[in-house]
Amino acid sequence: GQNIDQPTEMTATEGAIVQINCTYQTSGFNGLFWYQQHAGEAPTFLSYNVLDGLEEKGRFSSFLSRSKGYSYLLLKELQMKDSASYLCAVRDWKDSNYQLIWGAGTKLIIKP
Amino acid sequence: TAGITQAPTSQILAAGRSMTLRCTQDMRHNAMYWYRQDLGLGLRLIHYSNTAGTTGKGEVPDGYSVSRANTDDFPLTLASAVPSQTSVYFCASSDSRGGGVVKEAFFGQGTRLTVV
Repeated sequence: GQNIDQPTEMTATEGAIVQINCTYQTSGFNGLFWYQQHAGEAPTFLSYNVLDGLEEKGRFSSFLSRSKGYSYLLLKELQMKDSASYLCAVRDWKDSNYQLIWGAGTKLIIKP
Repeated sequence: TAGITQAPTSQILAAGRSMTLRCTQDMRHNAMYWYRQDLGLGLRLIHYSNTAGTTGKGEVPDGYSVSRANTDDFPLTLASAVPSQTSVYFCASSDSRGGGVVKEAFFGQGTRLTVV
């Protein structure tokens, strides 16, 4: 079946580094997305991985291991505005098209 | 500004009443989606459309219907609302056709629906 797991909530300190993990099981994997969602707002795209390895984009990096069904989002130099939920989503091939399978999200709380 | 627009932003609806949530995109994306988001459950797919004229059922389709008469519009209808349909509803669109280019989904701002 299809399943995506990520921690429900994490807490970190301003200026520090935090790693949010995501594990998945899908049948037709074709890429993994990370989205950020502030409370009361829509999800916004952060990163995409389709090959193994690390993708860096400023303070945010995302890693993928397809053999392990595992990804993480690394946030450096944390700022208060990074307090949000982070959603992991896998693109799966279904019904002759790609569809996104979503994790429940990780709520990240940043403390001063 | 190009993007995806939902209406209304919020609504209180009496149980048993019908309602249509509107969604319009101007990015010429082939695929459109309706999700509901409830605390602790993440985004759950209600219905989707891979191209104009076709629709499909997602994870939680019961009590909802959709249509896709053209590329831009994808309305979601609740025929007879029940309190369990209280949720935040997000419409999204993407270019879901094959290819190696990153094709992320774009989301509308959401509709907060309360059924009483």
